[in-house]
Amino acid sequence: AQTVTQSQPEMSVQEAETVTLSCTYDTSESDYYLFWYKQPPSRQMILVIRQEAYKQQNATENRFSVNFQKAAKSFSLKISDSQLGDAAMYFCAYRSATQGGSEKLVFGKGTKLTVNP
Amino acid sequence: DAGITQSPRHKVTETGTPVTLRCHQTENHRYMYWYRQDPGHGLRLIHYSYGVKDTDKGEVSDGYSVSRSKTEDFLLTLESATSSQTSVYFCAISGLGLAAYNEQFFGPGTRLTVL
Repeated sequence: AQTVTQSQPEMSVQEAETVTLSCTYDTSESDYYLFWYKQPPSRQMILVIRQEAYKQQNATENRFSVNFQKAAKSFSLKISDSQLGDAAMYFCAYRSATQGGSEKLVFGKGTKLTVNP
Repeated sequence: DAGITQSPRHKVTETGTPVTLRCHQTENHRYMYWYRQDPGHGLRLIHYSYGVKDTDKGEVSDGYSVSRSKTEDFLLTLESATSSQTSVYFCAISGLGLAAYNEQFFGPGTRLTVL
């Protein structure tokens, strides 16, 4: 079974600074997807960024980028120019890419990000 | 929004009573999921469905049952609620397209308190 580990229960960053959230995972599969979800106080789960394991290039979405190290099974999220609206819980998630699979996600326990003005 | 709703949004019940949570989608997605979210545990999969009347267990399925009689509705039932089932429950959907990757969309969540 796959597992996802987020070793930082809480992180804080100053507004306009850069912060990196860590995520490691364990799998025996070679093809899979990785995700970062954001959960603000409203509880809504919002997809921030995703990475296909077969792609070597790191995904980027505006101020959000990832550092995907497949051999190390590491998938960190970098938030640049942090804004007050980035304050939220962030979850790392794994999904198998097996054909005919259920598309179900395995989540880490989350990192609570505080942005200080 | 992906057209996914959950009802009720909040519920307080007593130990031993049955509870049913409803997830409704308007998007015709194939897959539907129920997760629970607890502090320190992230989201954990309870049950999922890969089609009408086709369901399977997730990692924390004990004490829960599900049913899907129509594409748009996925019901989660707690036959006899316990305090350990106090949680926030999320429904999610995916699988609309034929692409290898399909984004999973989440409902707004249901906060359930079992006294």
